[in-house]
Amino acid sequence: QLQLQESGPGLVKPSETLSLTCSVSGGSISSSTYHWGWIRQAPGKGLEWIGSIYYIGSTYHNPSLRSRLTIAVDTSKSRFSLRLTSVTAADTAVYYCARLERSTSSWYDWYFDLWGRGTLVTVSS
Amino acid sequence: QSVLTQPPSVSGAPGQRVTISCTGSGFNIGAGYDVHWYQKLPGTAPKLLIYGNSNRPSGVPDRFSGSKSGTSASLAITGLQAEDEADYYCQSYDSSLSGWVFGGGTQVTVL
Repeated sequence: QLQLQESGPGLVKPSETLSLTCSVSGGSISSSTYHWGWIRQAPGKGLEWIGSIYYIGSTYHNPSLRSRLTIAVDTSKSRFSLRLTSVTAADTAVYYCARLERSTSSWYDWYFDLWGRGTLVTVSS
Repeated sequence: QSVLTQPPSVSGAPGQRVTISCTGSGFNIGAGYDVHWYQKLPGTAPKLLIYGNSNRPSGVPDRFSGSKSGTSASLAITGLQAEDEADYYCQSYDSSLSGWVFGGGTQVTVL
């Protein structure tokens, strides 16, 4: 059974860079069937899609985060990563990595079928 | 303010049927994009409940069902159980934002 596990610092200072890694085990990150993505949930708020990546490196970003966001994949290590620059308290959240699968032949119909447990990142000095 | 609007909360007695609406626009649900639903318990990762508007993944009880019409979608829970107390989120694609979006979430309370 494929599993995803987030890792990274739990505390980041304001204006610095948040970096997280998602390790994929029990399956191939290089499958052409799936995308890989990041989602977050701020305290007391709903879910927010951050961005997604295909194994060949194609990326898709939430427009509200695009200028600060980098998502990359390392197929040799079966992991993908998230970098968010110039963080503020508003970036405090539980960050989840997830696998996306397509529900139809349309390029846009993707859903998050497997999730990591999530990791809390607090932005504070 | 999410582009997919859900009621903040719904409630029902054990055994009853509750429905959660997810209202969008011509840029998302109304454009024909699929709607998916997730269940989130406190302190745990979201769990896929319905994909492709009305399909249940293996292991999801048939008490959960989804439908879509026009610019809206709905999640129905029949035979409500105490273990169904959770937050529920809809998700789709939005062409105006060029990305995937979630509804604001609905808290289900079992009375």
